[in-house]
Amino acid sequence: DQQVKQNSPSLSVQEGRISILNCDYTNSMFDYFLWYKKYPAEGPTFLISISSIKDKNEDGRFTVFLNKSAKHLSLHIVPSQPGDSAVYFCAQGGYNKLIFGAGTRLAVHP
Amino acid sequence: GAVVSQHPSRVICKSGTSVKIECRSLDFQATTMFWYRQFPKKSLMLMATSNEGSKATYEQGVEKDKFLINHASLTLSTLTVTSAHPEDSSFYICSARDKASGHYNEQFFGPGTRLTVL
Repeated sequence: DQQVKQNSPSLSVQEGRISILNCDYTNSMFDYFLWYKKYPAEGPTFLISISSIKDKNEDGRFTVFLNKSAKHLSLHIVPSQPGDSAVYFCAQGGYNKLIFGAGTRLAVHP
Repeated sequence: GAVVSQHPSRVICKSGTSVKIECRSLDFQATTMFWYRQFPKKSLMLMATSNEGSKATYEQGVEKDKFLINHASLTLSTLTVTSAHPEDSSFYICSARDKASGHYNEQFFGPGTRLTVL
């Protein structure tokens, strides 16, 4: 059973609009969550993170929301740009381990 | 800064042979390196955690005698797939944690190695 789930394998958004990527988790033991972005034939790059003491973290166009009671987090990208087209992974981490979701492929079109 | 390289980027080998994949931190020291495997349209699955100068810690279900990991220096870890079979074909990605940082987000990923076993 997957500990971190990204139920939407793909998402298509128009340039300038908001992209919302969702992630659910089952294990509350680890209290740190991260989003990574991955282009084809490249390794993931860190995007933004949030710890369980917060429910929101913002960095420029990227905002991550954490709903601990629902065991759900989401990444908002606004405004979306064509360069944001990539696969986005959410991950849950303790100090020495990251558990990744299956990823959501975001396509931002003009 | 914080660049991790992997070599080779692609490798094709015959069944039964062994393949070595290198992971290097180019501009920082990494006491800990991680090896992941990614199946098509699946998540990154942690295979093992490699600490410099000590034995790797393998995740449940990962055969340590098949996937040999060596972390001989602060900038290099190697993964050797021994007696490779077609089911070992996958995308292998390493990551490294900067010795100077204790934060989870300071885990930098390599570009990955595509292994195809014929």
